[in-house]
Amino acid sequence: NAGVMQNPRHLVRRRGQEARLRCSPMKGHSHVYWYRQLPEEGLKFMVYLQKENIIDESGMPKERFSAEFPKEGPSILRIQQVVRGDSAAYFCASSPNPGTGGEDGYTFGSGTRLTVV
Amino acid sequence: AQSVAQPEDQVNVAEGNPLTVKCTYSVSGNPYLFWYVQYPNRGLQFLLKYITGDNLVKGSYGFEAEFNKSQTSFHLKKPSALVSDSALYFCAVRRGYSTLTFGKGTMLLVSP
Repeated sequence: NAGVMQNPRHLVRRRGQEARLRCSPMKGHSHVYWYRQLPEEGLKFMVYLQKENIIDESGMPKERFSAEFPKEGPSILRIQQVVRGDSAAYFCASSPNPGTGGEDGYTFGSGTRLTVV
Repeated sequence: AQSVAQPEDQVNVAEGNPLTVKCTYSVSGNPYLFWYVQYPNRGLQFLLKYITGDNLVKGSYGFEAEFNKSQTSFHLKKPSALVSDSALYFCAVRRGYSTLTFGKGTMLLVSP
């Protein structure tokens, strides 16, 4: 049973380009979360998605960032017109249906390290 | 709102000595508390969680954590540190179905 799969592991983009980060949740997990890790800041929540729905995007920057989790295929975090400040590690996590009572933690992928040059 | 504080950026301990990584939280209602570990260039790995019941929770790799409701703390402990325990440790909290909120992380360095 594969864990949470993220690709690419490393991504280099020039300023102004678009970055697409992909995340396939664990089998049986229908909830996906994106976090950004910056030095000295820890993990910051960005967005929580279920299939075809954005549940909580309170951590997403208002511009240039978007996320989706289509009915088929992986979840995508898209950053348009990247700037140097977007350089960070982006982690995806998944969890089972919260109908379990919210007791489950998340299973994390290995992350995508975005470098904007 | 919920939040987590990890007051130490770094903890240094000699191999074989006990270690403690501190965590305090703020949340209304009963919290679910978690510890994760991150090795270099890797994702976070689950260590242990507190949901309810016994205040002392045992987890992976010999780690344990003690939930203290009056002090709103959930410190991570290990009786005897290993060099291989050196990593970045994150405390996290959630209440009910809310998303996990993480602390800034504490770097644990275990010297031989």
